[in-house]
Amino acid sequence: DIQMTQSPSSLSASVGDRVTITCQASQDISNYLNWYQQKPGKAPKLLIYDASNLETGVPSRFSGSGSGTDFTFTISSLQPEDIATYYCQQYDNLFTFGQGTRLEIK
Amino acid sequence: EVQLVESGGGLVQPGGSLRLSCAASGFTFSSYWMSWVRQAPGKGLEWVANIKQDGSEKYYVDSVKGRFTISRDNAKNSLYLQMNSLRAEDTAVYYCARGLTFGGVIVIGAFDIWGQGTMVTVSS
Repeated sequence: DIQMTQSPSSLSASVGDRVTITCQASQDISNYLNWYQQKPGKAPKLLIYDASNLETGVPSRFSGSGSGTDFTFTISSLQPEDIATYYCQQYDNLFTFGQGTRLEIK
Repeated sequence: EVQLVESGGGLVQPGGSLRLSCAASGFTFSSYWMSWVRQAPGKGLEWVANIKQDGSEKYYVDSVKGRFTISRDNAKNSLYLQMNSLRAEDTAVYYCARGLTFGGVIVIGAFDIWGQGTMVTVSS
């Protein structure tokens, strides 16, 4: 089984800050890595697919990079509506999610 | 409007059974892989099972193999999850989710449309 490890598990930042979340796979998953945003009480929303491709309609302040085992998710300028939990997810072998990163406003 | 609506959740005793349904609308259901993803209270996301467009391939997470069965009825635009021998650790919100597909041919292992979820509680 492929394990996905996100860091940090929680993060506090100010509006306008650049925010970075990392995700590490337990083995090489090429670019088969997606990122989701989940707000409390809501279903997850796909933001980034195949490591760096922005899903249609998602603001350009969100971006992703990486390949192999190490991946990065970035919000270039944090907005109040970005408060949520973010998950990475691999699909090289079935599907596995990271444990999530809870993002709060400082 | 593209939409997925789950139903069938509820309270069930350990060892019991439950059947979840997911009604799809606003897109050609038969053209997409479909999945069930669950989230235990206060916990992260866990993929449970998926099914190919024509139902010919099905995959499960190890923890539900032999207990859960995913199925679909393309004529009714519906996805199902039959859950047997339920355990306390199956307690979660269950979401149905659509597989990301481009041009009906290129399948990406991401989930682009989600339902609102249905709560399953396994408790005596």
